Amino acid sequence: GENVEQHPSTLSVQEGDSAVIKCTYSDSASNYFPWYKQELGKRPQLIIDIRSNVGEKKDQRIAVTLNKTAKHFSLHITETQPEDSAVYFCAASNTGTASKLTFGTGTRLQVTL
Amino acid sequence: GAGVSQSPRYKVAKRGQDVALRCDPISGHVSLFWYQQALGQGPEFLTYFQNEAQLDKSGLPSDRFFAERPEGSVSTLKIQRTQQEDSAVYLCASSPVGLAATYEQYFGPGTRLTVT
Repeated sequence: GENVEQHPSTLSVQEGDSAVIKCTYSDSASNYFPWYKQELGKRPQLIIDIRSNVGEKKDQRIAVTLNKTAKHFSLHITETQPEDSAVYFCAASNTGTASKLTFGTGTRLQVTL
Repeated sequence: GAGVSQSPRYKVAKRGQDVALRCDPISGHVSLFWYQQALGQGPEFLTYFQNEAQLDKSGLPSDRFFAERPEGSVSTLKIQRTQQEDSAVYLCASSPVGLAATYEQYFGPGTRLTVT
């Protein structure tokens, strides 16, 4: 089955700096890669997703890149703000056989003033 | 509109007790997923329903875990003879589409189960 690895496990940046979180996946058939943000005690919320026919997607301060050959995808947050502090999870799915998400282990992002 | 809701939000069970966790998906959503999230970990897939059909239960950790969605809307996850290792947050998610489609999964707030 699919295996998703995520790095780093914790990340501390100063307000205004950029943050990058990286994930790798094992199943070359995976074709959908969402990123979820989870604040303490809250539900995971989708912040951006990318499909395998696209190499990059941007939404305001957030961007995701996908390298299918290397089976890597990354989340980039620019101009970080304190409210970006949360745990971020990457995930992968092969919608050809199932829609279940396989999640990474999470990155705790702390944005300091 | 209303999102995915789950009840109870918190459940404390003594080891050996049976528990039932409820999920109310967004109205009209075809797909429903259950995930288990241990402390400090990412959610792990348990089972998947498309309407009332349970199409994938490969993630259920043992035969003590059972899920149903008899009318294709509300779902219940039942855990029999709870063990301490069952302590986790149980998340439900729904999606408006079925298999072979990519769409956002909307998560509920979860039920935090503590087995003492």
